[in-house]
Amino acid sequence: QRQLVESGGGVVQPGRSLRLSCAASGFTLSSTGVHWVRQAPGKGLQFVAGMDYAGGTKTYYAEFAKGRITISRDASKNMVYLEMNSLRVEDTALYYCATDAKFFSFDLWGQGTVVTVSS
Amino acid sequence: QSALAQPASVSGSPGQSITISCTGTNSDVGAYNFVSWFQQYPGKAPKLMIFDVSVRPSGVSNRFSGSKSGNTASLTISGLQAEDEADYFCSSYTGSDTLLFGGGTKLTVL
Repeated sequence: QRQLVESGGGVVQPGRSLRLSCAASGFTLSSTGVHWVRQAPGKGLQFVAGMDYAGGTKTYYAEFAKGRITISRDASKNMVYLEMNSLRVEDTALYYCATDAKFFSFDLWGQGTVVTVSS
Repeated sequence: QSALAQPASVSGSPGQSITISCTGTNSDVGAYNFVSWFQQYPGKAPKLMIFDVSVRPSGVSNRFSGSKSGNTASLTISGLQAEDEADYFCSSYTGSDTLLFGGGTKLTVL
């Protein structure tokens, strides 16, 4: 059974860094595109970052993420990471990991990990 | 970049059909056929309902259909059922190599 499990969320002070992890089971992450989408409390979905499918190296970032957030993949561990620096209060959200077998069609989602940025 | 525009809420009675619109620009919805629709229940992860404007993933009811005209994509749910009550989000790839989501539409089944 294909599954994604996110981890690494928590409470962090503004300006600090955090690394989120996304672990896959039942399939190989390098065979699909992998993306991060966040949802602030009571709000809608917001794309954060993504990596191309089939083991490609092309990355995609939301405007707010450029220069501050980095997505990476460790094929040997079947994991994807989201490194977030200079965190802001507005980064507070539930962060989902999602895969797409077809370009930007997020067909599998994890349950998310909560990031709270607060002093 | 602004989110794609969706109505905040729509409603319908069981058995009826409803349509949710998703309006973008000629740099996103109007330029690419990479429009998806997601269903989300409270406290749950989103579920893909439509991708590539009108393609239904395996296992999604054929009561759900998607279309696009110009800069506006639409999700139509026919034969409305109580279980369809949820939030719906559209998304579109953009010319800036990123993805935009709509603000979301709350569907109420009366």
